[in-house]
Amino acid sequence: QVQLEESGGGVVRPGGSLTLSCAASGFNFNSYGMHWVRQAPGKGLEWVAVIFSDGTHTYYTDSVQGRFTSSRDNSKNTLHLQMSSLRAEDTALYFCARESGSDWFLDSWGQGTLVTVSS
Amino acid sequence: EVVMTQSPATLSVSPGERATLSCRASQAVSTNLAWYQQKPGQSPRLLIYRASTRATGIPVRFSGSGSGTEFTLTISGLQSEDFAVYYCLHYYNWPRTFGQGTKVEIK
Repeated sequence: QVQLEESGGGVVRPGGSLTLSCAASGFNFNSYGMHWVRQAPGKGLEWVAVIFSDGTHTYYTDSVQGRFTSSRDNSKNTLHLQMSSLRAEDTALYFCARESGSDWFLDSWGQGTLVTVSS
Repeated sequence: EVVMTQSPATLSVSPGERATLSCRASQAVSTNLAWYQQKPGQSPRLLIYRASTRATGIPVRFSGSGSGTEFTLTISGLQSEDFAVYYCLHYYNWPRTFGQGTKVEIK
């Protein structure tokens, strides 16, 4: 079955950097677009980024544009989110999610990794 | 950016009753809309996609309707496991955006 496992979260100071990873298994990773979604403590879901199946296109929400970069290694079934110039408002649980192969909704989610930006 | 607005923020319902949740888009998104359920400490679970298609394994008491800018998620005969937060998500263009969520609580 589809499995997505995020890692790399932790505590980082404002202005710092962190890279998250998402290990995928149970499906043909290089055929699916992959997304990042975050959830601040006690808040709702916020879409963050997408990377197309072949890695050629990415899109970001405005608040992270220019600071976050999504990449993927299809040979290792791994998704990454490089985050820099981190701010307190980036504190959240970060989920990776798979885009459906038949449409563009998100059909499978990982359990998330927590990023805390604090001095 | 398409702004998704869900109402109400909180819905108090007795077990066995019907719950009706609304999601409004600031511009037409056709039927490119999905609904998710999230329970505390869990990741979101897909319920409905393409506005009205139930995802695999989702009980028939969950139904979705709408197109364009107005969408509804109906839960008929609420069961104890249905008390959760529900989010809509459009996938019409970039960026994707979620509604702020509707919490369905026990009355």
